Amino acid sequence: GAVVSQHPSWVICKSGTSVKIECRSLDFQATTMFWYRQFPKQSLMLMATSNEGSKATYEQGVEKDKFLINHASLTLSTLTVTSAHPEDSSFYICSADTRTGTVYQETQYFGPGTRLLVL
Amino acid sequence: RKEVEQDPGPFNVPEGATVAFNCTYSNSASQSFFWYRQDCRKEPKLLMSVYSSGNEDGRFTAQLNRASQYISLLIRDSKLSDSATYLCVVNKKGSARQLTFGSGTQLTVLP
Repeated sequence: GAVVSQHPSWVICKSGTSVKIECRSLDFQATTMFWYRQFPKQSLMLMATSNEGSKATYEQGVEKDKFLINHASLTLSTLTVTSAHPEDSSFYICSADTRTGTVYQETQYFGPGTRLLVL
Repeated sequence: RKEVEQDPGPFNVPEGATVAFNCTYSNSASQSFFWYRQDCRKEPKLLMSVYSSGNEDGRFTAQLNRASQYISLLIRDSKLSDSATYLCVVNKKGSARQLTFGSGTQLTVLP
């Protein structure tokens, strides 16, 4: 199956620091990637949809100036948590779906996640 | 009302038991349905897609009832390795590709 990687796998930073998380599709091209956040004991919540070469679309309640998304190539999307605060501490996961011709497949492939702890 | 609702559990069952999870969804126009499993501190992994006709994959059986907006997962002959959180997932309202996750049902299979 398709492989999605994330880097870093975990990060601890001081409050006010900006943190960049990378999501890469290793063996396929992803025109779209999805960013999720998961707090302890809660489910994954879609934050934004990252589109290669265009602006990301954000879910209601997610600040676009706080969570900057850049999808500059077909294999890389980045999420930058700007001026991180303790309440941003969470598990951030990206995913991508694959395409056969013009048809997107149902299955989404998830990266291993990035655990962020803001002190 | 949440878009996807699940019984959070936890379900603690002995090895070899049969266990069933249920899930309801609010968007009657949903088209894609899945069960994912998530191990502690890991990313979710697709267990199986769910179709109207029902589908089976080894010890796992998934059912979809569109009229009741209800999805189920049955695990037979539970193994220790089945211990995980099971996530009911439906495509997000208005989108074929964005996913909405239930809060998950925690399963522990006991020796």
